[in-house]
Amino acid sequence: SQELEQSPQSLIVQEGKNLTINCTSSKTLYGLYWYKQKYGEGLIFLMMLQKGGEEKSHEKITAKLDEKKQQSSLHITASQPSHAGIYLCGADFNSGGYQKVTFGTGTKLQVIP
Amino acid sequence: DAGVIQSPRHEVTEMGQEVTLRCKPISGHNSLFWYRQTMMRGLELLIYFNNNVPIDDSGMPEDRFSAKMPNASFSTLKIQPSEPRDSAVYFCATQQGWSETQYFGPGTRLLVL
Repeated sequence: SQELEQSPQSLIVQEGKNLTINCTSSKTLYGLYWYKQKYGEGLIFLMMLQKGGEEKSHEKITAKLDEKKQQSSLHITASQPSHAGIYLCGADFNSGGYQKVTFGTGTKLQVIP
Repeated sequence: DAGVIQSPRHEVTEMGQEVTLRCKPISGHNSLFWYRQTMMRGLELLIYFNNNVPIDDSGMPEDRFSAKMPNASFSTLKIQPSEPRDSAVYFCATQQGWSETQYFGPGTRLLVL
């Protein structure tokens, strides 16, 4: 979706290195979601951010949402081969109603042992 | 729980044939989403059901696509007649109440020749 841009499109890192994936929205969002997808499988939910300035962590993955609620970053510390996959951000642009998620184009991550 | 179940996992068909994709949601989840994923367009929402009722079908590409949810434990997405441009991975995802998480099935990989 052009409403949501992810960068980089792909990333190759050495095991143990840190990395950051960015997600930028063209308008204010009401919920920002991060999912991970392995090839041939469905998406797995990682985190949801809702408030400006919010930050959440799960194991070695940290996600932040900026104060204006238009940009999010996903940071992986000390990457491992198990982190490899496609990371998708999704945004809910609805102020009410159901969780209608518009997904970004994804970032393909490879971690070299 | 077995998670969201989709069938078939792979489908190869010829242009003009009818295709039916099936989804069994996680028990107790009252929201169901059908998505389509392609290289060109990424992951797109096709239709959303709540309590078995279609709420938002604005993402359904054209009249050749139809979706039903006759009960809380079963949904179908039908394409009739199918065309090569319908080739994609189709995902079903379900959600419980106002939970922040959508649970995705493994997807059906459709190839229309």
